[in-house]
Amino acid sequence: DGGITQSPKYLFRKEGQNVTLSCEQNLNHDAMYWYRQDPGQGLRLIYYSQIVNDFQKGDIAEGYSVSREKKESFPLTVTSAQKNPTAFYLCASRGLLHYGYTFGSGTRLTVV
Amino acid sequence: SQKIEQNSEALNIQEGKTATLTCNYTNYSPAYLQWYRQDPGRGPVFLLLIRENEKEKRKERLKVTFDTTLKQSLFHITASQPADSATYLCALGEGQAGTALIFGKGTTLSVSS
Repeated sequence: DGGITQSPKYLFRKEGQNVTLSCEQNLNHDAMYWYRQDPGQGLRLIYYSQIVNDFQKGDIAEGYSVSREKKESFPLTVTSAQKNPTAFYLCASRGLLHYGYTFGSGTRLTVV
Repeated sequence: SQKIEQNSEALNIQEGKTATLTCNYTNYSPAYLQWYRQDPGRGPVFLLLIRENEKEKRKERLKVTFDTTLKQSLFHITASQPADSATYLCALGEGQAGTALIFGKGTTLSVSS
């Protein structure tokens, strides 16, 4: 079945550590996105990529980094510079001819 | 400033009634608007898209309207069921398909039997 997979589902990080969240899709979608969701805040855009080897910052990119070396993969690194990283992170993809997003099941990151 | 507002954080209705959720926006010029359903701890699921030149879209028990003059979209669920209980998100798209959607904060719908 085609879909988008995020791993791990739960992640715990010590302060000062970088962590990388995985996002893989087998839908042959060109565009991929990372959003962060906090209670009462809705989804806020971190980074997005419309094509391999290219990506753009979203509204809250500070403290995050991404890469898009393969069409299928769009990993997100939460760096130690991100001041408040505890949140629910959602990855999504979209084909160019279809406007609806397909979301992964999310990764809940907790800083301990 | 730019805003997307879903006017109720929570909406409680009885089974069989029609649920109506509202999405208002300010200082955006969306080419299309989408609605998603999100269950607790899960990613949102795409439901419907409506373009700026369309007044209404339907899919089974769902209906969406889009009024660019009022800068508002209404999302209706008719004959609501307890299984419809979830958070519903509206999202605006201002450009072509690859550009990023802008999401509202969502309305949590509870349908009681």
